[in-house]
Amino acid sequence: NAGVTQTPKFQVLKTGQSMTLQCAQDMNHNSMYWYRQDPGMGLRLIYYSASEGTTDKGEVPNGYNVSRLNKREFSLRLESAAPSQTSVYFCASSSGAETQYFGPGTRLLVL
Amino acid sequence: EDQVTQSPEALRLQEGESSSLNCSYTVSGLRGLFWYRQDPGKGPEFLFTLYSAGEEKEKERLKATLTKKESFLHITAPKPEDSATYLCAAVPSGTYKYIFGTGTRLKVLA
Repeated sequence: NAGVTQTPKFQVLKTGQSMTLQCAQDMNHNSMYWYRQDPGMGLRLIYYSASEGTTDKGEVPNGYNVSRLNKREFSLRLESAAPSQTSVYFCASSSGAETQYFGPGTRLLVL
Repeated sequence: EDQVTQSPEALRLQEGESSSLNCSYTVSGLRGLFWYRQDPGKGPEFLFTLYSAGEEKEKERLKATLTKKESFLHITAPKPEDSATYLCAAVPSGTYKYIFGTGTRLKVLA
């Protein structure tokens, strides 16, 4: 039982490059989330998916897109990376509005 | 506007010196109040969920309490391994969105 897994663990991009962060959960949760965490800013919600087939914007969605591929997987795409997107990205899952369980994070550096 | 504020930002304690962390929340109806622990380089780890004023939860040296405006995380006789950042989050009624505070960085000195 792996819980929430994220790939890659660390990535360096040049400005303008694109990439997709992958997230998978094996807890049969309906809801999945993407956050970014920056020093002094706390965790900020980028996008979430309340259930398979639905996605909604969070607090800071600009520059990102998401895909809920199936019940297990929720990916986050940066189409044209910017230095302001340097951050640590966390994926989480939950059963509705109950406890969220977090992955180990992806550290992204955009040069 | 929904908001969660944590204080203090940082706290240094001697081993065995008890203290409390504060989480003040302003949300349109509270669906749940969550506490997490986060170690450096890792994802947040779930500690407690509180749903209604007056509720209390305990786990080892930690005790979480909830009022209508704030929650406290009491740490009794802390040990160095309790050093971490403690996050709280409130979920407003009718949503799935967690509103996180910026956390309290706790350092317990041996």
